[in-house]
Amino acid sequence: EVNLVESGGGLVQPGGSLRLSCAASGFNFRMHMMHWVRQAPGKGLEYVSSIKTDGHTTYYASSVKGRFTISRDNSKNTLFLLMGGLRIEDSAIYYCAREGGDYGGFPWWYFDLWGRGTLVAVSA
Amino acid sequence: SYELTQSPAVSVALGQTATITCKGDNVGSMNLHWYQQRPGQAPVLVIFRDGSRPSGIPDRFSGSNSGNTATLTISEAQVGDEAAYYCQLWDRATAQVIFGGGTQLTVL
Repeated sequence: EVNLVESGGGLVQPGGSLRLSCAASGFNFRMHMMHWVRQAPGKGLEYVSSIKTDGHTTYYASSVKGRFTISRDNSKNTLFLLMGGLRIEDSAIYYCAREGGDYGGFPWWYFDLWGRGTLVAVSA
Repeated sequence: SYELTQSPAVSVALGQTATITCKGDNVGSMNLHWYQQRPGQAPVLVIFRDGSRPSGIPDRFSGSNSGNTATLTISEAQVGDEAAYYCQLWDRATAQVIFGGGTQLTVL
């Protein structure tokens, strides 16, 4: 079964750090660009970060750039998000998502498979 | 920065056609995607690249994109279609993924 399972969420104080993981199964993980998207309670979807298959080409939302680091371990079919300098406004459900496809190596930038998410709460 | 604008709420009578719009500057020149999110669940892709449907999505769902408006159309609306719908694109100019604010669909 094709699946994404996030873990690592929890309660953290402002300024703290947290590492999220996303375990992929049922598809060839190393062949897919991967993404993180978050959703604050009662709010809409917000893009966080992306990483290409090579593990070196990364993208970040301006709101998290310099504080968050995306990475992947293709040998373990796992995506990561290291979050530092956490702020109250970073509180959200964090979803990992799979890139839907590409054309000649250029992604279409849509998300065809989502995990159920992991909750991050930043509070004193 | 680029913005996608959606109406916060749309209602439709059971069995009728719902139209959800997503407005942005020259959005018709970009690839636009749509997601459905039922309460308490993860988003699900329902339309990609303006009008293509993933496998498993009923053909009651269709999309179009032209000029400054992209449209998601849900025909023969069912109670199970009640959800928030989000449009999304990649803004090449800023290298950012952009989501619309979402539209809550109510089936009466």
